[in-house]
Amino acid sequence: DAGITQSPRHKVTETGTPVTLRCHQTENHRYMYWYRQDPGHGLRLIHYSYGVKDTDKGEVSDGYSVSRSKTEDFLLTLESATSSQTSVYFCAISDTDRTNEAFFGQGTRLTVV
Amino acid sequence: GEDVEQSLFLSVREGDSSVINCTYTDSSSTYLYWYKQEPGAGLQLLTYIFSNMDMKQDQRLTVLLNKKDKHLSLRIADTQTGDSAIYFCAEKRAVGGGADGLTFGKGTHLIIQP
Repeated sequence: DAGITQSPRHKVTETGTPVTLRCHQTENHRYMYWYRQDPGHGLRLIHYSYGVKDTDKGEVSDGYSVSRSKTEDFLLTLESATSSQTSVYFCAISDTDRTNEAFFGQGTRLTVV
Repeated sequence: GEDVEQSLFLSVREGDSSVINCTYTDSSSTYLYWYKQEPGAGLQLLTYIFSNMDMKQDQRLTVLLNKKDKHLSLRIADTQTGDSAIYFCAEKRAVGGGADGLTFGKGTHLIIQP
């Protein structure tokens, strides 16, 4: 398995509170992604990073921000969590300069009550 | 609507072949992928195919690509109970900055009957 660790694995939080999810990789891959998975929608891209301090928005970026201060860590922040952000969040990594594979973390189940 | 379409459910008998179908819309996609997700787990890459290929075989898995019809299929031979999972089709698209994002279908639940 590719070295991707997501933390926490599960979290319950209250509406309006800030939440940060962490993705840590040991593969030194250049590209990192955050997806959310919801019933009836499959996986949708939230934000992605193409290098340290280089990030951009994906398909469903509203209400989310990201930061990548070093190669191995990609943080996803919900500034003020809402119930619509209850979901399973997956981090993925790839290094398309060398391979066409994308590897996923185990997911973080976030519940906003 | 979704750009990548899959049937939501497929039920097969143990030992039979399973064929999971997918249609996509972006003709410029260079790679197409099949991922497997078991309950409570992340996504496991099963296989992928380059857009200039028609077929790729890997042990029990056969991927067929019809680029003209934008149709991708995954055949699992001799389906076993351990194959029970959700299977996602995904296409690779450039999203900016040199990065390639994956656009996923909603997933097909493969149900194995004894």
